[in-house]
Amino acid sequence: GQQVMQIPQYQHVQEGEDFTTYCNSSTTLSNIQWYKQRPGGHPVFLIQLVKSGEVKKQKRLTFQFGEAKKNSSLHITATQTTDVGTYFCAGRGGTSYGKLTFGQGTILTVHP
Amino acid sequence: NAGVTQTPKFRILKIGQSMTLQCTQDMNHNYMYWYRQDPGMGLKLIYYSVGAGITDKGEVPNGYNVSRSTTEDFPLRLELAAPSQTSVYFCASSYGTGITDTQYFGPGTRLTVL
Repeated sequence: GQQVMQIPQYQHVQEGEDFTTYCNSSTTLSNIQWYKQRPGGHPVFLIQLVKSGEVKKQKRLTFQFGEAKKNSSLHITATQTTDVGTYFCAGRGGTSYGKLTFGQGTILTVHP
Repeated sequence: NAGVTQTPKFRILKIGQSMTLQCTQDMNHNYMYWYRQDPGMGLKLIYYSVGAGITDKGEVPNGYNVSRSTTEDFPLRLELAAPSQTSVYFCASSYGTGITDTQYFGPGTRLTVL
């Protein structure tokens, strides 16, 4: 079945440093979504990417979708303490009937 | 709109007990999902439903059952609880399967089986 791997599992940064998490799928994806889960909270949708090579930005967050539509990345510039949480990628395959396969998530800690 | 609501928020069960986790959405979404999240792990799909009366297994269905009698409700039943079912359970919903479809999550139920 489809597998989505995400690295790193943990990342500790000082406030102001940059952060990147990477997502790789075993199969080609129709789209990829990113979610953020604050500590003790539930996943909240951030963005989705559909086109090969697509790049989207949300303020300090930059999302990329690979040319082969099998990998993606989330980059945060100049992290803030409000960025703490777990970031998940979730991929949808061509015949998954709406189901998303989630990566394991990257837990981001930001030290002030 | 309340979105997706789940009850209870916390529950402790003894081995062998049964319980039902409730999930309700008021967004008239066709699709509903149940996930479990173990510490440091991602979300594993337990069951999902594409509409009232239609359910299907996800990645980790063993030990669980679901029903979907209405569009709004999608309860998850645990029979004969086991320690391996200690987890956080999230219910989610989405409108459909469109390529831009996104999932909305409930606040979760934290379950401990002792």
